[in-house]
Amino acid sequence: DQQVKQNSPSLSVQEGRISILNCDYTNSMFDYFLWYKKYPAEGPTFLISISSIKDKNEDGRFTVFLNKSAKHLSLHIVPSQPGDSAVYFCAAVYGGATNKLIFGTGTLLAVQP
Amino acid sequence: GAVVSQHPSWVICKSGTSVKIECRSLDFQATTMFWYRQFPKQSLMLMATSNEGSKATYEQGVEKDKFLINHASLTLSTLTVTSAHPEDSSFYICSARAGQGLTYEQYFGPGTRLTVT
Repeated sequence: DQQVKQNSPSLSVQEGRISILNCDYTNSMFDYFLWYKKYPAEGPTFLISISSIKDKNEDGRFTVFLNKSAKHLSLHIVPSQPGDSAVYFCAAVYGGATNKLIFGTGTLLAVQP
Repeated sequence: GAVVSQHPSWVICKSGTSVKIECRSLDFQATTMFWYRQFPKQSLMLMATSNEGSKATYEQGVEKDKFLINHASLTLSTLTVTSAHPEDSSFYICSARAGQGLTYEQYFGPGTRLTVT
C-alpha cells in the first residue's frame, strides 16, 4: 500500500525553465511534508519542507505547494539548472512519537543544458 | 552542520557471514536514528527506528533477528546483517534526527552498498 506516490518516474526540462514535480498522498493524518534530492549511491539531501497548516513555502529557487483537499503537493524549481538533475523524493511525516518518514517512489529529473 | 557518516560505503561478503554497518552523526546528537533499504529504482523503505539506549522498533516484515540494530550512544547506531544471503544485497541508508517534538527533518548518511555473493 503506497501511501505516498509520485506518478511520474521521470521528467526532462530545459535549463532555465521551470521544473514541476508532483506528489500525491492518501493518508489525511500526514501533517508535514518534505522534499529530498538524491544522487546515485548517495544518501538523500533535504531540500524544503511544508507544514500541513500552510499551502506554500519558498526557499530560493525552490517552492513547495500543498493542496490538502486534493492530497497533493508539488515542488517547483525555477530556474532549473543542470546541477538539479537527480532523483527527487517527496516524503510525508507519519506522526506520533517517532515521526517516521514515508517516502514516495521518486522522480528522476533531467535538466538539459 | 548536520553531517551523518556511514561506514563502510560498500562491502562484499560471502553468503552466511555477518556484516556490520555503522552510522554516525558527526556534529550533533541524534536522539533517533532510522535505517532504510533501497532496491534499484525503488523508494526508500524504512526498516527500523532506534532511540538511544532502547530497543529498535522494526517495521512490519523486517526480521529483527536478521537485522540487528544497536543505538549505543547519541552519535552511533549500528546495523548488523546476520547470516547474509544474496537477497540481502541492497543499498542501506541511515538517517538521524536531532531533538524531538516538531523536529521532523532527518539527515541522511551516504549509504552502504552491500553485495552478498
